[in-house]
Amino acid sequence: KNQVEQSPQSLIILEGKNCTLQCNYTVSPFSNLRWYKQDTGRGPVSLTIMTFSENTKSNGRYTATLDADTKQSSLHITASQLSDSASYICVVRASGGYQKVTFGTGTKLQVIP
Amino acid sequence: GAGVSQSPSNKVTEKGKDVELRCDPISGHTALYWYRQSLGQGLEFLIYFQGNSAPDKSGLPSDRFSAERTGGSVSTLTIQRTQQEDSAVYLCASSLAQVNQPQHFGDGTRLSIL
Repeated sequence: KNQVEQSPQSLIILEGKNCTLQCNYTVSPFSNLRWYKQDTGRGPVSLTIMTFSENTKSNGRYTATLDADTKQSSLHITASQLSDSASYICVVRASGGYQKVTFGTGTKLQVIP
Repeated sequence: GAGVSQSPSNKVTEKGKDVELRCDPISGHTALYWYRQSLGQGLEFLIYFQGNSAPDKSGLPSDRFSAERTGGSVSTLTIQRTQQEDSAVYLCASSLAQVNQPQHFGDGTRLSIL
């Protein structure tokens, strides 16, 4: 069964600090992995996508890594800002002709002043 | 606007009533998805439409749930004889057909069953 597990479930950090969120998956065969940011009361928004051949990808203060051998990904946030407070969702797509994806339950990040 | 639009944004109804939730996808997006997000839970896949192909309804939790997509654009999710456990946020997303394209989400309909 395809599964995506994220840790920690929730996290509180001080503004300006860095943090790393983890995602482990069992989706196979692997196509791509995407990190979404979901602000409270809003729909998720894509931050970055990782394909099999990519190890690291950055989007501003967000850096995602992928280890396809161990089936792990991380999202590193640098110099956190209050606006980073949100849920971060890891989503993995299996290869094949179908567009179905598997969602993690998310990490709820709170950045405090 | 250019994004996915969902209506209503909030819906409160009594147990046993039917509800209809609407999704206007981004123009040109052939793929459309419905998800359910319960408090503190991940997104639960409900149904997927791709072009003129038969929809994948494998995620619908019961026969009280149905969805249609007219003209390859607007979609309606219908829940009949609502139950309290149907209370959740219902999210719609659309995307281009290519495999590496992101899903673009609406802000959801928050459904509360009294």
